[in-house]
Amino acid sequence: GAGVSQSPSNKVTEKGKDVELRCDPISGHTALYWYRQSLGQGLEFLIYFQGNSAPDKSGLPSDRFSAERTGGSVSTLTIQRTQQEDSAVYLCASSLGTVRDEKLFFGSGTQLSVL
Amino acid sequence: GDSVTQMEGPVTLSEEAFLTINCTYTATGYPSLFWYVQYPGEGLQLLLKATKADDKGSNKGFEATYRKETTSFHLEKGSVQVSDSAVYFCALNRDDKIIFGKGTRLHILP
Repeated sequence: GAGVSQSPSNKVTEKGKDVELRCDPISGHTALYWYRQSLGQGLEFLIYFQGNSAPDKSGLPSDRFSAERTGGSVSTLTIQRTQQEDSAVYLCASSLGTVRDEKLFFGSGTQLSVL
Repeated sequence: GDSVTQMEGPVTLSEEAFLTINCTYTATGYPSLFWYVQYPGEGLQLLLKATKADDKGSNKGFEATYRKETTSFHLEKGSVQVSDSAVYFCALNRDDKIIFGKGTRLHILP
């Protein structure tokens, strides 16, 4: 596609439910990132995929968070047993190569609200 | 650990005013430095970058110079427009990740 696509754009869920957020990166981009944007907190790195390498999960805030990337393309971020503090905008980004040399292209995000 | 600190907003200016948004960083080694911008209703996009000391990144009238001696990467524009109203994020790369500051919201009044 023309850009990074995320779905759904908005998700309202009840505390304790599981949610899945989807990201379609730009075709051919080997690197894929998930960030979380909370009010007043800026962008928090969550997880990074690069090609077929093991993902860098160092930013995941708890074991309730997980992500996978199938076939080197589409990625799904799963949050189990959601809590109110998980409410935020979840952003996906992709890049052609390493971010030192290539820019990140961001999706429009998924606004998650946990009631 | 590596981090970015930028001035808190919101910053409100009149059209044609001079803009400075301060950004300082803490990092081991020599990271690349970036400014990303988020316009209302749009996704984040790269505004400019600098990859080594004394480099100047520039785009759309904005400039920032990589100052190793002061560990700074301040964003400047000589004459802002209403269309520059957005949230601006200073960032650096650590390994293959981008570390962002908290963002500065800019309002330009006509």
